[in-house]
Amino acid sequence: DAGVTQSPTHLIKTRGQQVTLRCSPKSGHDTVSWYQQALGQGPQFIFQYYEEEERQRGNFPDRFSGHQFPNYSSELNVNALLLGDSALYLCASSLGGAQGYTFGSGTRLTVV
Amino acid sequence: DQQVKQNSPSLSVQEGRISILNCDYTNSMFDYFLWYKKYPAEGPTFLISISSIKDKNEDGRFTVFLNKSAKHLSLHIVPSQPGDSAVYFCAALLNNNDMRFGAGTRLTVKP
Repeated sequence: DAGVTQSPTHLIKTRGQQVTLRCSPKSGHDTVSWYQQALGQGPQFIFQYYEEEERQRGNFPDRFSGHQFPNYSSELNVNALLLGDSALYLCASSLGGAQGYTFGSGTRLTVV
Repeated sequence: DQQVKQNSPSLSVQEGRISILNCDYTNSMFDYFLWYKKYPAEGPTFLISISSIKDKNEDGRFTVFLNKSAKHLSLHIVPSQPGDSAVYFCAALLNNNDMRFGAGTRLTVKP
């Protein structure tokens, strides 16, 4: 049973560019949440998608946007990248809410 | 706004002894509290949770205690094993959709 799959695993981008990160949820899960984990910090909630709509959002600027597809997979888009966007981006899936989260291994984004 | 705090960045214990990891929170509206364990190059994995209406939950070697009046929870691991060495995150859940994490505590269990 495949867990949460994230791609790519590592990415290097230049300041000002745009990036798209992808997440396939665990089989049977319909809710996808995205987190940003900076070095030495805990994961910070970006947003959660359910039924292809953004259901909840954390304190992140509009440069961070997302999408959920009918098969429950999700994308995280970040525009106008800043050096401070360098972090590990984690995707978590669950059935209906935030309990029982299954996390992916993350995408390490480096902005230079 | 750091609503969940883990004030100890690291903890070292001897194998077989008890590990106690602490967590404080500020928002009294949190519904559930959870502990996650994270190994390098892996995502966090769920360990144990507790509802805000309870004060203790036990699962094998892991026990979580909740003190609502003090807005404090702790994770006890007994006996500690070298395989328990990892980063432990405390998390709090609001309205089943918004999970807030602490900064993590790195536990090292020495053989």
